[in-house]
Amino acid sequence: NAGVTQTPKFQVLKTGQSMTLQCAQDMNHNSMYWYRQDPGMGLRLIYYSASEGTTDKGEVPNGYNVSRLNKREFSLRLESAAPSQTSVYFCASSEDRDRRAYEQYFGPGTRLTVT
Amino acid sequence: GENVEQHPSTLSVQEGDSAVIKCTYSDSASNYFPWYKQELGKGPQLIIDIRSNVGEKKDQRIAVTLNKTAKHFSLHITETQPEDSAVYFCAASRKKYQAGTALIFGKGTTLSVSS
Repeated sequence: NAGVTQTPKFQVLKTGQSMTLQCAQDMNHNSMYWYRQDPGMGLRLIYYSASEGTTDKGEVPNGYNVSRLNKREFSLRLESAAPSQTSVYFCASSEDRDRRAYEQYFGPGTRLTVT
Repeated sequence: GENVEQHPSTLSVQEGDSAVIKCTYSDSASNYFPWYKQELGKGPQLIIDIRSNVGEKKDQRIAVTLNKTAKHFSLHITETQPEDSAVYFCAASRKKYQAGTALIFGKGTTLSVSS
């Protein structure tokens, strides 16, 4: 049982390049989330998906797109990377039965640097 | 807007002392309050959580208290050990979104326990 896995672990991009961050969970969770973590800012929600086939914007969605490929996988895409997107990105998943919040399980993170 | 304030941002204690971290939230609809511990280079991990129908919860050396009227909740760690050194985040659920339950995080407290 691997939990939440993320690839890649590290990435360096030049301004304007694109890339996709991959996330997968093997806990059969309905909800999945993408956060970014910046020094002194805590974790901020980028996008989330309450169930397969649905996605919604979080606090800081500009410059990002997401795809909930199936129940297991939730990817985050940067179409044209900017230095302001330099951050550590975390994927998380949770069960969220009956509209009650449950523990979110986090992946190990992807450290992205945009030069 | 909705936010979670966390204090202090850094906390240094001697091994064996107690540590207290406090958070306030603004969304009166929040009803789930988890605490996460993040070690260097890893994703956050849940250590304890509390729901709005409970005033206090304890798990060994860790306890959380909730005052819904004042919109305060606190993390108490007793008999601290060097391995408690980490960044701690409080969070509150938010019902803003149509479906699913996302979290809003505080900015974190760096706890250092010296032996």
